[in-house]
Amino acid sequence: QVQLQESGPGLVKPSQTVSLTCTVSGGSISSGGYYWSWIRQHPGKGLEWIGYIYDSGSTYYNPSLKSRVTISLDTSKNQFSLKLSSVTAADTAVYYCARAPSIVVVTHWGQGTLVTVSS
Amino acid sequence: QSALTQPPSASGSPGQSVTISCTGTSSDVGGYNYVSWYQQHPGKAPKLMIYEVNKRPSGVPDRFSGSKSGNTASLTVSGLQAEDEADYYCSSYAGSNNLVVFGGGTKLTVL
Repeated sequence: QVQLQESGPGLVKPSQTVSLTCTVSGGSISSGGYYWSWIRQHPGKGLEWIGYIYDSGSTYYNPSLKSRVTISLDTSKNQFSLKLSSVTAADTAVYYCARAPSIVVVTHWGQGTLVTVSS
Repeated sequence: QSALTQPPSASGSPGQSVTISCTGTSSDVGGYNYVSWYQQHPGKAPKLMIYEVNKRPSGVPDRFSGSKSGNTASLTVSGLQAEDEADYYCSSYAGSNNLVVFGGGTKLTVL
């Protein structure tokens, strides 16, 4: 059974870059055919798609975040990562990593990690 | 403000049926048969309940069903059970520019 686990700092200062890593177990990230994705949820709010990286290396970023987001893949570690730059309080959210066999069908989610942006 | 519009709340008694709507536009819900529904219990990650409008993943009870008419998709939960109490989110493919959009979520209460 594939499992995903996010890791990263829980607290980040405004204007800094937050880096999150998703470790995949129970399956290879190189197995092909999946969109490795990041989705966030502001406290008490709905879901927001941040972006994905396909196993070919192609990426898609939400237009509203595109200038600040980078998603990358590390097949040697079976991980993928999210970097979000120039963070503000509006980026405070629970960040989920996820695996999707198609863009709108997320079958596997990490447990989520809360990132708080505060000085 | 979410791209897709859902009612903030819905409720029903055990055994009853409840339907949650998800309204978009011809650029998302109405334009593609790629609508998904997710269930989220407090403090937990979302869980896929319906995909491609009306398909159920393995393990999801057949009490959950999906449909679509025009720009509005719907999730129906029949034979309500206490464990169905959760937040429900719809999502839709929205074309190559916006890709995936979500609804604001509906809190389902089992009375």
